[in-house]
Amino acid sequence: ETGVTQSPTHLIKTRGQQVTLRCSSQSGHNTVSWYQQALGQGPQFIFQYYREEENGRGNFPPRFSGLQFPNYSSELNVNALELDDSALYLCASSLAGQTRYGYTFGSGTRLTVV
Amino acid sequence: GENVEQHPSTLSVQEGDSAVIKCTYSDSASNYFPWYKQELGKGPQLIIDIRSNVGEKKDQRIAVTLNKTAKHFSLHITETQPEDSAVYFCAASREANNLFFGTGTRLTVIP
Repeated sequence: ETGVTQSPTHLIKTRGQQVTLRCSSQSGHNTVSWYQQALGQGPQFIFQYYREEENGRGNFPPRFSGLQFPNYSSELNVNALELDDSALYLCASSLAGQTRYGYTFGSGTRLTVV
Repeated sequence: GENVEQHPSTLSVQEGDSAVIKCTYSDSASNYFPWYKQELGKGPQLIIDIRSNVGEKKDQRIAVTLNKTAKHFSLHITETQPEDSAVYFCAASREANNLFFGTGTRLTVIP
């Protein structure tokens, strides 16, 4: 059984640029959630994808968008990067109907915006 | 929305002693309370959880208690070991698809 894989592990971008982060869900999981974890803080829910559609969203602006593919993998896209977007971005996979009970988190992508 | 507060932010204990981390939540409709352990360079890992119809749950050296009336829940780790050193997060949830996390507690177990 494979876990959740995220790529890249680290990334440096310039303010105003766009970034795409990738996540492969754990085998057997069909739902992917994305969280932002600022330094010294707990993760904050960005959104969740199920059946290739957004299935819930936290308090993040529209420049944060995502995709889910037929193989359940997912992308997080952030446009017009701001300095405050610097954070660890975590992907969590789970089974529909048990989403909040069965999160498996990846190790995250550390994004630095300069 | 839900607001989860967690204390203390840092905690140091001698190996073999107990550690207690406390969280409060604001939304009385929250009904699921997991605890996660995050080691350096890794994502959070679920270590124990409790649902609102249960007051206490134990798994070997780890236990969680929930007081719904007071809206607080606690993590208890007994017989601490150096490998317990990590950042611990509590979380609360009322909906199917997202968790609200506390700000974390950095636990250091001194050998």
